[in-house]
Amino acid sequence: SQQGEEDPQALSIQEGENATMNCSYKTSINNLQWYRQNSGRGLVHLILIRSNEREKHSGRLRVTLDTSKKSSSLLITASRAADTASYFCATARPGNTPLVFGKGTRLSVIA
Amino acid sequence: SAVISQKPSRDICQRGTSLTIQCQVDSQVTMMFWYRQQPGQSLTLIATANQGSEATYESGFVIDKFPISRPNLTFSTLTVSNMSPEDSSIYLCSVEEGGYEQYFGPGTRLTVT
Repeated sequence: SQQGEEDPQALSIQEGENATMNCSYKTSINNLQWYRQNSGRGLVHLILIRSNEREKHSGRLRVTLDTSKKSSSLLITASRAADTASYFCATARPGNTPLVFGKGTRLSVIA
Repeated sequence: SAVISQKPSRDICQRGTSLTIQCQVDSQVTMMFWYRQQPGQSLTLIATANQGSEATYESGFVIDKFPISRPNLTFSTLTVSNMSPEDSSIYLCSVEEGGYEQYFGPGTRLTVT
């Protein structure tokens, strides 16, 4: 069963703007991971945030985690047309892999 | 991160036939997983494949339909048996590395006619 729910389901922005995607989940987690998928191809691992972390950065990506609210957000700054893709959050429960995926957010960045 | 390849990258198969998908990793890994992604949907775990033991299947997936082999620490196969159009999906293998990060292969796009 799916654990994460992304919000919004679809997002369309202009190049250069920031894109924020949210993910909510239901149970305790060990970590939460964000992935990108271009046009139904393989998933690219973006970032992992552990349950005891609140924020992580990687290049233009910023991920936050609020375990009290069971939610995470992915911020992409200064978006580019190449960022157009579907973004998924996935959670791993304590002591248990594999990952359980959310439904994803489809991001369109318009040049 | 591990480099993962899958074969075939895509296939079109007839109803009632079977297809075996191969997953090769460039390093030894303990945990390998198989996922299915139906058109326009998210990923659903089919099974966990550990070397030296039977695969562990998720609810809704059975060994007779999706037999899995894991002969060594770098290779696994998933067979989709007696296919129907509902099996049309992208099938992805993934591996877990030491820090709990999970990496995915490029996927196999299967169309059943």
